[in-house]
Amino acid sequence: KQEVTQIPAALSVPEGENLVLNCSFTDSAIYNLQWFRQDPGKGLTSLLLIQSSQREQTSGRLNASLDKSSGRSTLYIAASQPGDSATYLCAVKGQDYGQNFVFGPGTRLSVLP
Amino acid sequence: DAGVIQSPRHEVTEMGQEVTLRCKPISGHDYLFWYRQTMMRGLELLIYFNNNVPIDDSGMPEDRFSAKMPNASFSTLKIQPSEPRDSAVYFCASSFSQGRELFFGEGSRLTVL
Repeated sequence: KQEVTQIPAALSVPEGENLVLNCSFTDSAIYNLQWFRQDPGKGLTSLLLIQSSQREQTSGRLNASLDKSSGRSTLYIAASQPGDSATYLCAVKGQDYGQNFVFGPGTRLSVLP
Repeated sequence: DAGVIQSPRHEVTEMGQEVTLRCKPISGHDYLFWYRQTMMRGLELLIYFNNNVPIDDSGMPEDRFSAKMPNASFSTLKIQPSEPRDSAVYFCASSFSQGRELFFGEGSRLTVL
């Protein structure tokens, strides 16, 4: 059974700092991995989706990498801003048809002005 | 497109009452998912549909929970009778094909007294 963990559970950084969020998964036979952002009281917003054949994906100040063999993904946020404050979740989908995304518990990020 | 639309956004009810949550997926999406989010258990998949047909309901906690999708633009999640431990945020999400980017609604926050 796939298990997804995220470390740290919470992170507080000053504005402007570059930061890395981590996601680990136990079964490397994945189809793809998604990073989401969740603001308080809101739904999840997809940030980046990485296919199992890809090593990384970029969108603006966000860069997500994937290392299937080690069961890890990182989300890199450059030049953090207070508006980046949110909870970031990763989700992994297995290769078998019918398997759905398994979500990590999330990292709560606070960017201080 | 307006995105995934859920109603009600907030529901407060008394134990034993019937609760019905509603979801309108993004037009053209053929997969619809119901998730439940709590502090203790994180985000859990309850059930998902493909082309209006329930595919996997193994995440539905017990017989008090039921879900339907009578057509491509509407789904309901019903809890009858409701219990305090059902208090959570219930999310609906949709995607175009399995394993593609997931789009979430804003969620329905349920409180059962």
